[in-house]
Amino acid sequence: NAGVTQTPKFQVLKTGQSMTLQCAQDMNHNSMYWYRQDPGMGLRLIYYSASEGTTDKGEVPNGYNVSRLNKREFSLRLESAAPSQTSVYFCASSGWDRVLGEQFFGPGTRLTVL
Amino acid sequence: GENVEQHPSTLSVQEGDSAVIKCTYSDSASNYFPWYKQELGKRPQLIIDIRSNVGEKKDQRIAVTLNKTAKHFSLHITETQPEDSAVYFCAAHMRFGAGTRLTVKP
Repeated sequence: NAGVTQTPKFQVLKTGQSMTLQCAQDMNHNSMYWYRQDPGMGLRLIYYSASEGTTDKGEVPNGYNVSRLNKREFSLRLESAAPSQTSVYFCASSGWDRVLGEQFFGPGTRLTVL
Repeated sequence: GENVEQHPSTLSVQEGDSAVIKCTYSDSASNYFPWYKQELGKRPQLIIDIRSNVGEKKDQRIAVTLNKTAKHFSLHITETQPEDSAVYFCAAHMRFGAGTRLTVKP
């Protein structure tokens, strides 16, 4: 089992460019999450998906969109990147709804917006 | 929504000493409280969790205690070792604390 995988590992964008971060899990989990991690601020929830076909906003959704393509895959899109979106992005999955159980995290994507 | 505060932000101890990290939360409906460890450049990984129907849980050198009345829960690490050095995060209902950087000096 690969667990949770993310691509790419690193990305540099210019302000205004767009990109999609990909996430996939092979644990048959219903719930998937996208977080961003900034120094001194812990992990902040961007969006989550409690099941295939549903998505909900988290704490910091502005500037992002998501797609739950199927049960395995949950992508995060930045339509017009801004320097404030420079961060490390983690995808996670859980067999529990609304994080009532362990989350399994991907390796992260380090994004720099110039 | 839920608000989680974590203290201290940094903690330095001598090898063999104990370390305690505390988190408070605001939503009385929260009923699952995990602790994650993140080593430098790595992903967060669950080390212990507790549910609201239990007051304490232990796993070898780590333990978590929960006080639902006061809305706080704590991570206790005994006999600390250099490999315990990492950032530790608490969480409640999809909200994470800001993290505690623990350094264990040999």
